[in-house]
Amino acid sequence: ETGVTQTPRHLVMGMTNKKSLKCEQHLGHNAMYWYKQSAKKPLELMFVYSLEERVENNSVPSRFSPECPNSSHLFLHLHTLQPEDSALYLCASSQPNTGELFFGEGSRLTVL
Amino acid sequence: GDSVTQMEGPVTLSEEAFLTINCTYTATGYPSLFWYVQYPGEGLQLLLKATKADDKGSNKGFEATYRKETTSFHLEKGSVQVSDSAVYFCALSDQGRRALTFGSGTRLQVQP
Repeated sequence: ETGVTQTPRHLVMGMTNKKSLKCEQHLGHNAMYWYKQSAKKPLELMFVYSLEERVENNSVPSRFSPECPNSSHLFLHLHTLQPEDSALYLCASSQPNTGELFFGEGSRLTVL
Repeated sequence: GDSVTQMEGPVTLSEEAFLTINCTYTATGYPSLFWYVQYPGEGLQLLLKATKADDKGSNKGFEATYRKETTSFHLEKGSVQVSDSAVYFCALSDQGRRALTFGSGTRLQVQP
């Protein structure tokens, strides 16, 4: 596979569940990102990893927990979410200093 | 902090009409500017970019010129097609940051 792949594409969970979103990139990039996309709001940057080290965390609630075990994989662990966390979660990767992000198709999360 | 402001949508045009989507920004330093496009059910993909003042980015008939004096990066296309229907995002990359700051997106609907 090529590009940035996200799984699952759709996820429905209750507020007490624990689930994870997975992102995999086959582009040889060394930076990976999680963004949250909600209706009628700008994309919100959640986390940035560079060379597997978290370099940015934009005041995201602790119920979202990222993990980057290597430069090709990024996870977002979810627990005790709220209905307002329902959104499209986008993963992206990049090479340094290009400014160009490559996005996956997103994981549509619904919290009941 | 950095911010990007886009015109609210949706923008509805007939096929072959002229398109303009306005984008203005605030940033410290000299950012790079981008337009991304999101087709239904897909992630974002880079449409064009400009890295310094007076640069013009172009791709697939779309153009945008980096105007430092008006802090703008308006997207234009001379003749839109139904296949251009999508959400368009303006974004900037400021010095020292890997992540992009996005606007809220503008939905374009082109009718045959």
